[in-house]
Amino acid sequence: GQNIDQPTEMTATEGAIVQINCTYQTSGFNGLFWYQQHAGEAPTFLSYNVLDGLEEKGRFSSFLSRSKGYSYLLLKELQMKDSASYLCAVDTGGFKTIFGAGTRLFVKA
Amino acid sequence: GAVVSQHPSRVICKSGTSVKIECRSLDFQATTMFWYRQFPKQSLMLMATSNEGSKATYEQGVEKDKFLINHASLTLSTLTVTSAHPEDSSFYICSAPNRDRATNYGYTFGSGTRLTVV
Repeated sequence: GQNIDQPTEMTATEGAIVQINCTYQTSGFNGLFWYQQHAGEAPTFLSYNVLDGLEEKGRFSSFLSRSKGYSYLLLKELQMKDSASYLCAVDTGGFKTIFGAGTRLFVKA
Repeated sequence: GAVVSQHPSRVICKSGTSVKIECRSLDFQATTMFWYRQFPKQSLMLMATSNEGSKATYEQGVEKDKFLINHASLTLSTLTVTSAHPEDSSFYICSAPNRDRATNYGYTFGSGTRLTVV
C-alpha cells in the first residue's frame, strides 16, 4: 500500500531550529514535495527533492534519502508566521501525488 | 507564475441542493486538473482527475454520480457536488500541473472552497 508518515504536531520556540520528519512507502517515486498550509488556505510550495541529499533555500532546507524512504524539512530562525501545517507529499509518477496528513507546527514566543 | 483561480471560496447550502465549484487556470493551459478534499486536521485526499475533453478518472470510493466533474476547456474545470449532505462539508481544492520549477514546481493549487451543508 501507499503510506506517508509524519508527526501530527510539533512545538518550537521563536528563533530556534525545528526538523520535521517524513517517512514514506509508495509504489512509485519520482520526487518528494514539502508544502506549507495555513488553516483554511491552499498549500504553498516549499521544495521538491528528486536526488538524495540536502537542498537549502533560505531559512528552509529539505533532505531526502531514497534508499531509506525518508525526508525531513528543516526550518531555521523560526518566526511566528511559520506556525502552519507542513505537508510531505510523494510524486509517485503520472502526476499522482500522495499527501501525508501534515504536521502542525506551533511556534511560541 | 502560474495561477489557478477557484470560486467560490466559501459556500453554505441546504441539504439536498447542488453546489458548483470552478477552477480556472489564468495564464496557462491546464489539460489536467486534480480535485482534492480535505477534512479538518487531515490530509488532502485525491477525489478525481479531470482531463480536458474526456471523462474524469475517479479514485476508489468516490461516487462519480455525486461528484460531477466537467473539464470543457483548456482553462476551466468544475466540480459539482450533487444532493449535498452535511457529511459532504469539507474543504475542496483543485490543482493543476505546471512546469514552473523556480516557484511552484509540480502543482499550482487553487485557493480552496469551504463547503458547509446545513
